[in-house]
Amino acid sequence: SQQGEEDPQALSIQEGENATMNCSYKTSINNLQWYRQNSGRGLVHLILIRSNEREKHSGRLRVTLDTSKKSSSLLITASRAADTASYFCATVATSGTYKYIFGTGTRLKVLA
Amino acid sequence: NAGVMQNPRHLVRRRGQEARLRCSPMKGHSHVYWYRQLPEEGLKFMVYLQKENIIDESGMPKERFSAEFPKEGPSILRIQQVVRGDSAAYFCASSPSPPGQSINYGYTFGSGTRLTVV
Repeated sequence: SQQGEEDPQALSIQEGENATMNCSYKTSINNLQWYRQNSGRGLVHLILIRSNEREKHSGRLRVTLDTSKKSSSLLITASRAADTASYFCATVATSGTYKYIFGTGTRLKVLA
Repeated sequence: NAGVMQNPRHLVRRRGQEARLRCSPMKGHSHVYWYRQLPEEGLKFMVYLQKENIIDESGMPKERFSAEFPKEGPSILRIQQVVRGDSAAYFCASSPSPPGQSINYGYTFGSGTRLTVV
């Protein structure tokens, strides 16, 4: 299975601290995305990184990709209470039908 | 410019009944994907459809579940003879092209249908 796994499964930090989440996957990928899901809601796309990119920034988000280790990390800097959510990575394989396979998610709680 | 619309938002069915979940993709999107999410878990791929075609149904249970995306109208995920284990949130996503072919595109997700089987 290509499904990724995020770690940690749960993370609790104070407002203003940085939060780092990691994602590992199993097969060669075309691109990797990170999504956020607030409790009881749908998923919101955060950032996409291509397989030939190593790092990408978007506001307070920083994503890295290491294809040799088949892993990615999402860093949220200066976290806010509103960042409390579950975060998922999703990958598209280089072969087969093109669909995103989601990881198991990291549940982030930012304490005010 | 409405996003992906799913309805109903909440659906309660008794065991043995049928559940029909609808998904209207974003305007201009012809690729639809259905995912299931159990409480406190990630999203599990179910089926990928393009207009009038099932592209990949490798995640669909072999029995009771079916999906379609007709030329006109929304995509439908149908669950026949529901059981308690079918209780979950079902999410639909759409894209203008397969994400692997046009790698700038991600998915746009709907808000989901929460199915409760009693």
